[in-house]
Amino acid sequence: EAEVAQSPRYKITEKSQAVAFWCDPISGHATLYWYRQILGQGPELLVQFQDESVVDDSQLPKDRFSAERLKGVDSTLKIQPAELGDSAMYLCASSFTTGGGRESFFGQGTRLTVV
Amino acid sequence: GIQVEQSPPDLILQEGANSTLRCNFSDSVNNLQWFHQNPWGQLINLFYIPSGTKQNGRLSATTVATERYSLLYISSSQTTDSGVYFCAVEQGSSGDKLTFGTGTRLAVRP
Repeated sequence: EAEVAQSPRYKITEKSQAVAFWCDPISGHATLYWYRQILGQGPELLVQFQDESVVDDSQLPKDRFSAERLKGVDSTLKIQPAELGDSAMYLCASSFTTGGGRESFFGQGTRLTVV
Repeated sequence: GIQVEQSPPDLILQEGANSTLRCNFSDSVNNLQWFHQNPWGQLINLFYIPSGTKQNGRLSATTVATERYSLLYISSSQTTDSGVYFCAVEQGSSGDKLTFGTGTRLAVRP
């Protein structure tokens, strides 16, 4: 069964260091999302790609976060420098639109701890 | 933006019991999905259900879009059903992103 792949599963980093997360969406899914989930809350969108283009990054803290999807397939989310408040689960999702609508599928996530 | 509220926030069940989880949303939506977040953090798709009723094994869901709510039914609960259940909605006016509800944390005791 096709899945959204993410790596690493867990990451511990010191504050002020750089950290990067990788996501490979389900094959053929043109739309890719990065969500952040703080403990005890629901996920919130950071950035959305349609193919290689950013269509929504309004909630991305652009002073320290960046995201790219250069060839419209896999994607990287980077944080530099990391802060203590960035500790969270980072979830990647992909979706495909059909005549019946749009359903999103999530990867296993990367749990980030900043110390 | 749209508000998505789920109830109850916490639920403890004895194995074998049935339960109903509710999701209320404040505006019209294009899509609605139910997810189960397992203890390892992964979001598992349960239902894609912008309207109507669907069933999958012990789980079923109903969305009444005109009244802005959705229900998730769990029958004969098992310990593996434990975790957090989220509903998430998509509005055309806010693009394609999902807006998640507050979640229901379910614990099923053996």
